[in-house]
Amino acid sequence: QVQLVESGGGVVQPGRSLRLSCAASGFTFSNEGMHWVRQAPGKGLEWVALIRYDGSNKYYKDSVKGRFTISRDNSKNTLYLQMDSLRAEDTAVYYCTRENGGAHLVTDVWGQGTLVTVSS
Amino acid sequence: EIVLTQSPGTLSLSPGERATLSCRASQSVSSSYLAWYQQRPGQPPRLLIYITSRRATGIPDRFSGSGSGTDFTLTISRLEPEDSAVYYCQHYGSSPLAFGQGTKVEIK
Repeated sequence: QVQLVESGGGVVQPGRSLRLSCAASGFTFSNEGMHWVRQAPGKGLEWVALIRYDGSNKYYKDSVKGRFTISRDNSKNTLYLQMDSLRAEDTAVYYCTRENGGAHLVTDVWGQGTLVTVSS
Repeated sequence: EIVLTQSPGTLSLSPGERATLSCRASQSVSSSYLAWYQQRPGQPPRLLIYITSRRATGIPDRFSGSGSGTDFTLTISRLEPEDSAVYYCQHYGSSPLAFGQGTKVEIK
């Protein structure tokens, strides 16, 4: 079945780096755009970044531009989020989600999320 | 950038009652790019409705969506205990994705 599995979260000190991964299965990963969306504890959903199906274009939330980098390896069916210069306000559960090109680009499949805690 | 505002913040209803959730956009959006999600505690969002009114696979028909322009509605016709969750509207199809702040539905 269609599945997304995130990994790489953990506790990290402010100013340090972390790389998240999202392993995709059950669909043709190289055909679909992918997003990262985060959710701070007790808060709502917040979009972080988008990468097009072939990696040709990338888009970021203003507050993470220059600190976060979204990338993908279509040969490994894996999405990444490199997070540098982490801040306390980046603490959240990070979800990867796919755009379904056959359904008006709706984000129809979500992973279970991985928790990132930025704390000294 | 589109801003979505949901109301009410919390809805407390009894099983079998009808729930009406509102989502208002800061500017007119295409109905092709408006979705609703359900999120239970500790779970990822689950797609309920997309293209304003189309139910996602496996979603019961007591969930329905409607609206156009700047005003959209999610209706749960007969509440069941498992409908207790936070519901988010979303504008998709471009970046940034926009989410409403959520409506919490409590079942008495």
